[in-house]
Amino acid sequence: GAVVSQHPSRVICKSGTSVKIECRSLDFQATTMFWYRQFPKQSLMLMATSNEGSKATYEQGVEKDKFLINHASLTLSTLTVTSAHPEDSSFYICSASLSGRKFEQYFGPGTRLTVT
Amino acid sequence: AQKITQTQPGMFVQEKEAVTLDCTYDTSDPSYGLFWYKQPSSGEMIFLIYQGSYDQQNATEGRYSLNFQKARKSANLVISASQLGDSAMYFCAMISNYGQNFVFGPGTRLSVLP
Repeated sequence: GAVVSQHPSRVICKSGTSVKIECRSLDFQATTMFWYRQFPKQSLMLMATSNEGSKATYEQGVEKDKFLINHASLTLSTLTVTSAHPEDSSFYICSASLSGRKFEQYFGPGTRLTVT
Repeated sequence: AQKITQTQPGMFVQEKEAVTLDCTYDTSDPSYGLFWYKQPSSGEMIFLIYQGSYDQQNATEGRYSLNFQKARKSANLVISASQLGDSAMYFCAMISNYGQNFVFGPGTRLSVLP
């Protein structure tokens, strides 16, 4: 149980375009989803916390207008990277929580974004 | 501020031997939790083991055990009988501030040699 999927697993886009990444909890309802970013050979950095039906809470230094997060249902959250630039190329990982607590996070497989 | 330190960027171990991955942490919160995750080359984060700050005994999960030394603020992961499939990045993480802060360490790359 507690499976989280992400789509796409890999995406290549051109500078200036937008790309949407989906995070789904497949067999449970996630009140809270988290979005992380991981640069090569570095650790995961929390970008934002997304609660179903409300606005996401962004970590300091993360641009809200650039990384749009929508948590429209208890099983789906989306991250849209707007006007992508090469420096946005990274590995984006989502996690979902049954209880809303960071204590219990189930991670998705990640999405590798390359902006050319 | 909460911080996780993993001083070993890379480790090598011979297959079937035990290995210890170091993790030290810093927090002023009296209640916190410590996690270890494995990240293989495919990228997914795999939960391995959890230790609560008030747990009296060290956590164990199969071949994984957590050597928790609260006074020294260390939470080392011990993997016994290493297998080739254990080769991966390993991240220590901490949750604190009543669940508000969740931070990962920089990771240790473990390579298991045949």
